[in-house]
Amino acid sequence: GAVVSQHPSWVICKSGTSVKIECRSLDFQATTMFWYRQFPKQSLMLMATSNEGSKATYEQGVEKDKFLINHASLTLSTLTVTSAHPEDSSFYICSARGTGGVNPLYEQYFGPGTRLTVT
Amino acid sequence: LAKTTQPISMDSYEGQEVNITCSHNNIATNDYITWYQQFPSQGPRFIIQGYKTKVTNEVASLFIPADRKSSTLSLPRVSLSDTAVYYCLGGPRDDKIIFGKGTRLHILP
Repeated sequence: GAVVSQHPSWVICKSGTSVKIECRSLDFQATTMFWYRQFPKQSLMLMATSNEGSKATYEQGVEKDKFLINHASLTLSTLTVTSAHPEDSSFYICSARGTGGVNPLYEQYFGPGTRLTVT
Repeated sequence: LAKTTQPISMDSYEGQEVNITCSHNNIATNDYITWYQQFPSQGPRFIIQGYKTKVTNEVASLFIPADRKSSTLSLPRVSLSDTAVYYCLGGPRDDKIIFGKGTRLHILP
């Protein structure tokens, strides 16, 4: 099956610093990748959609200058949390959509998540 | 996007069959119904997807009545490891998968 990886799986950073999270589709090409954020005991909240080679589309209320997304290749998207603050501490999950399948809208595979703690 | 409503939480015991029902009254004609499972500190995992009637795989069964306004995820003979949050999704919104609140299933010994 399709595999999506994230790196790192967890990271601790100091307030004011930036941290980059990588999302990779390991065995398929992903034209579209999605970034979600999840706070404890809550559901996943979609942050942004990125298409390879173009600018990301952010959901309402998500600061694009704070959460920089780059989707430079068909297998890699990165999320950079700039000037992180404790309220940015959360579980960040990416997903990748393949280009084939009977029902491409549903051929979306999720990564294992990255736990970010800002101190 | 079909708004979905499912119980916030459920408890069951090991070895029991668990049925989680989701309502999606305004599901679009061409939308599928998809269920995901999420364990703590992990990404969601696809469980099953269907359009109508019944779908079964090695993990679960999905029952969808003719009017498609609801669906029921059935987990046979659950174990402690089935403790997780289960999300019902009724079609993408603008090409995106949006999660509802999900059902927190707690399996007791």
